[in-house]
Amino acid sequence: DTAVSQTPKYLVTQMGNDKSIKCEQNLGHDTMYWYKQDSKKFLKIMFSYNNKELIINETVPNRFSPKSPDKAHLNLHINSLELGDSAVYFCASSQLPGGNSGANVLTFGAGSRLTVL
Amino acid sequence: KQEVTQIPAALSVPEGENLVLNCSFTDSAIYNLQWFRQDPGKGLTSLLLIQSSQREQTSGRLNASLDKSSGRSTLYIAASQPGDSATYLCAAPIYNQGGKLIFGQGTELSVKP
Repeated sequence: DTAVSQTPKYLVTQMGNDKSIKCEQNLGHDTMYWYKQDSKKFLKIMFSYNNKELIINETVPNRFSPKSPDKAHLNLHINSLELGDSAVYFCASSQLPGGNSGANVLTFGAGSRLTVL
Repeated sequence: KQEVTQIPAALSVPEGENLVLNCSFTDSAIYNLQWFRQDPGKGLTSLLLIQSSQREQTSGRLNASLDKSSGRSTLYIAASQPGDSATYLCAAPIYNQGGKLIFGQGTELSVKP
């Protein structure tokens, strides 16, 4: 009963290709996120969706396009892959989109390691 | 702008030792701080979440403290075990953007039997 599941877990591809990573959560959460962990293991948020609507969009190249068909799914599509896109991409979800009302615990998936050759 | 720093970057201890991991943040206007554990090839597991109104949270052998005035949080691990070996990350949310967590670089812990 995986709470946040990502596929694929590993992805190796050539520069210039287009690829997608899928994420699904069965927690009934309203908010989903994509975080990127670079080679130095530094984690940084990329996008956040609340009930299918984009609420956080960091300075990410427009080659990255998230898509949320419903609130349980948030997929990440990457066009024209570059060497620098190699990283581990983590999907996460939370009950609330945040604010200062209190607890907002994120549940993370296992990560998808993308290697661009 | 919130910045989160963790010291040390790596730590190796013999089994049974008590240890402290440090986390510093620059913007004290946080309403919680979270500690995660990351095992190789696996996702992030939330260990402890401390609300800004709390000073400590405990879970088993783990105890996390939060001092907003000094911009510091510590994670205390008692009687360390080889199974505690992992990378420990702290994260603070951006004010009014709760899901936008700013992570530290992590402390890679190795507990040797």
